[in-house]
Amino acid sequence: GAGVSQSPSNKVTEKGKDVELRCDPISGHTALYWYRQSLGQGLEFLIYFQGNSAPDKSGLPSDRFSAERTGGSVSTLTIQRTQQEDSAVYLCASRERALETQYFGPGTRLLVL
Amino acid sequence: QKEVEQNSGPLSVPEGAIASLNCTYSDRGSQSFFWYRQYSGKSPELIMSIYSNGDKEDGRFTAQLNKASQYVSLLIRDSQPSDSATYLCAVNMDDSWGKLQFGAGTQVVVTP
Repeated sequence: GAGVSQSPSNKVTEKGKDVELRCDPISGHTALYWYRQSLGQGLEFLIYFQGNSAPDKSGLPSDRFSAERTGGSVSTLTIQRTQQEDSAVYLCASRERALETQYFGPGTRLLVL
Repeated sequence: QKEVEQNSGPLSVPEGAIASLNCTYSDRGSQSFFWYRQYSGKSPELIMSIYSNGDKEDGRFTAQLNKASQYVSLLIRDSQPSDSATYLCAVNMDDSWGKLQFGAGTQVVVTP
């Protein structure tokens, strides 16, 4: 079956612009996670969705970051007024509620100039 | 601050040898542990999951968990050049939500 998909695969933007990153999880997966990976670093947790609600937003680095999920499926991560330090790979993962394994999408590579 | 620590490497391993990767974690209450492999420019893919103390084998891979020592390891037997990648240790710090805390990863280089 289809895996986790993300779009765009690459995004170059100018400092101060807003960007939207999209994640389409595996069908039927109720849990969705956003992570960020800076160059040469491990993955940093951003936010977790269970269905459409986000019980854990503790990893969002600032109020410029927000995310939503609709219909228990697609999620959008929005970064407002982007800064150069936002440049990273943004990864989305999903899992079935009852299982532990998280499956990752291919990521969106964001470059803020 | 809950932490997951790994040696960054690179770990250079001759082809056919055993690669041994180590990971320690700070949260004594952690229950679920994962090893992901990440090729350069790609997203992480699950190699192994382990939940109980002891060894778990899957093909050429063996995960070892010691909760008392807060230590989890991954052994790769008969290492192949295709095993060259970064290996990420991940720990489930909150079982109710499944949030994973990742180590920075160990780069493995298998030399022919």
